[in-house]
Amino acid sequence: GENVEQHPSTLSVQEGDSAVIKCTYSDSASNYFPWYKQELGKRPQLIIDIRSNVGEKKDQRIAVTLNKTAKHFSLHITETQPEDSAVYFCAASKNYGQNFVFGPGTRLSVLP
Amino acid sequence: DAGITQSPRHKVTETGTPVTLRCHQTENHRYMYWYRQDPGHGLRLIHYSYGVKDTDKGEVSDGYSVSRSKTEDFLLTLESATSSQTSVYFCAAQGQMNTEAFFGQGTRLTVV
Repeated sequence: GENVEQHPSTLSVQEGDSAVIKCTYSDSASNYFPWYKQELGKRPQLIIDIRSNVGEKKDQRIAVTLNKTAKHFSLHITETQPEDSAVYFCAASKNYGQNFVFGPGTRLSVLP
Repeated sequence: DAGITQSPRHKVTETGTPVTLRCHQTENHRYMYWYRQDPGHGLRLIHYSYGVKDTDKGEVSDGYSVSRSKTEDFLLTLESATSSQTSVYFCAAQGQMNTEAFFGQGTRLTVV
C-alpha cells in the first residue's frame, strides 16, 4: 500500500521567513496531493492541493510543488506569520481503493 | 464546519465496554472515513465507506467495526474497548474521490 513520509517533524522559523515541508510517497498511482493544516484543538482543514498533471500551484503565500519522477512534493510558505503556527499534514491519494494516506505531520512554530 | 458533526465530543469508558461514535453529515457526500490521530502517527485510516452499506477496512481496522445504513450517518464501534484505543477520532466526508475531504470536530476517547 501507499506510504507517505514527511520531514521535518518540527520546524521553527522567525516571523517573515519562509518555511518548507517535504513529503515523499511510494505508490506511483497516486495522483492527488492535498495539504491540511490543523490548529491546536481544531479539525484538519485543506489549505492547498495539487494534481499529478501539474508541477506547481500557488495561492497567495502558499505554494506546493510536485516531482512525479522522484515521488516527492513540498509545501512552501513565504512571509510566515504567527497564525501559520500549526501542524501540517501532507497526503497522497488515488481515485480508487483506499483514499488519503497521510504523512505523520510537521509542527510549525512561527516565532515573533 | 461543512456540515460534519461528531458525537460525543468527549468520552471516558472502561476497558471491555462497547463504544459507538457517530458521524453525521448534511452535504450528501458519498465517501466517509474514520481516522484516529495519535502523536507521531498523524491520521491513520480505520475504515471507510463509499456508499450506503459499502464499507472497507483501512490500515488500523483491528478492534473496530463500522456501519452506514444511511448516506448521512457513519458509525464507528469499538466492540470491547482497550487502552490502546485511547485516541482522538476524526470523521471525514468527501463528495468525490480526489477532492477536498471535510473533517468533523473530533472525538476524544479515553479508555481506562
